[in-house]
Amino acid sequence: DAKTTQPPSMDCAEGRAANLPCNHSTISGNEYVYWYRQIHSQGPQYIIHGLKNNETNEMASLIITEDRKSSTLILPHATLRDTAVYYCIVRASVGMRFGAGTRLTVKP
Amino acid sequence: DAGVIQSPRHEVTEMGQEVTLRCKPISGHDYLFWYRQTMMRGLELLIYFNNNVPIDDSGMPEDRFSAKMPNASFSTLKIQPSEPRDSAVYFCASSFLAGGADTQYFGPGTRLTVL
Repeated sequence: DAKTTQPPSMDCAEGRAANLPCNHSTISGNEYVYWYRQIHSQGPQYIIHGLKNNETNEMASLIITEDRKSSTLILPHATLRDTAVYYCIVRASVGMRFGAGTRLTVKP
Repeated sequence: DAGVIQSPRHEVTEMGQEVTLRCKPISGHDYLFWYRQTMMRGLELLIYFNNNVPIDDSGMPEDRFSAKMPNASFSTLKIQPSEPRDSAVYFCASSFLAGGADTQYFGPGTRLTVL
C-alpha cells in the first residue's frame, strides 16, 4: 500500500468548507484512495473513496489530482460535529493500514 | 441493520487472565477485521478473515493472541494470558468487495484494561 502524508492538525470555522489534503506520491494504478474519520473514541467511520475521478456523496467530496499523487477531502459546510481525526488511506487490498491522520477542529 | 456488534464494551481484568472479545459482523459481509488502537501505536490491523477463513494474521502481536471465525455471523479474539501492555481499544469491522473496493464498517469497540 502506498504511503500517505497528512498535516497533523487543522482548524476550520463552523459553516465554512474544510479542505483536508493528502499526499500519496507513490500510489499505484490499482490503488484506491479512502477517507475515514474517527470522532473521539468511536469506531472509525467511512466517508468516501475514489480511484481516478472526483467523487461526491452526502458527506463529502473527494478531489483527486490528474496524476493521482494527491487528493483533497472537502466537507462543504463543516459543523462542530465534524471535529474528528481524518484518515487518508491508499490501498489495493482489503487490509487497511491507518496513519496518524489529521485532527480537524471545527470552531464556532 | 444494527451494524457491527461488539461485546463486551468494557473489560477490566487482571494480568494472566484469559480475555475473549466477541464480534457479530453485518449480515452479508464476507470480510471481517480485528484492529487494536493505542495512544502509542495508533490503529493497527491485527487479522482479517474472508468467508470465515483467516487470510492475513501478520499483525497479531504474538502467540498469546488468537482469533477465530466459526461461522459468518460470529468471531472471537482471545488473549491468553493477558498482560498490561494489551490494554487498548479493540475494534471489529466488516465489509464486502464491490468493484474492487470495499467499505469497512466498524463496531463501537471494546475497551480492555489489564491490571
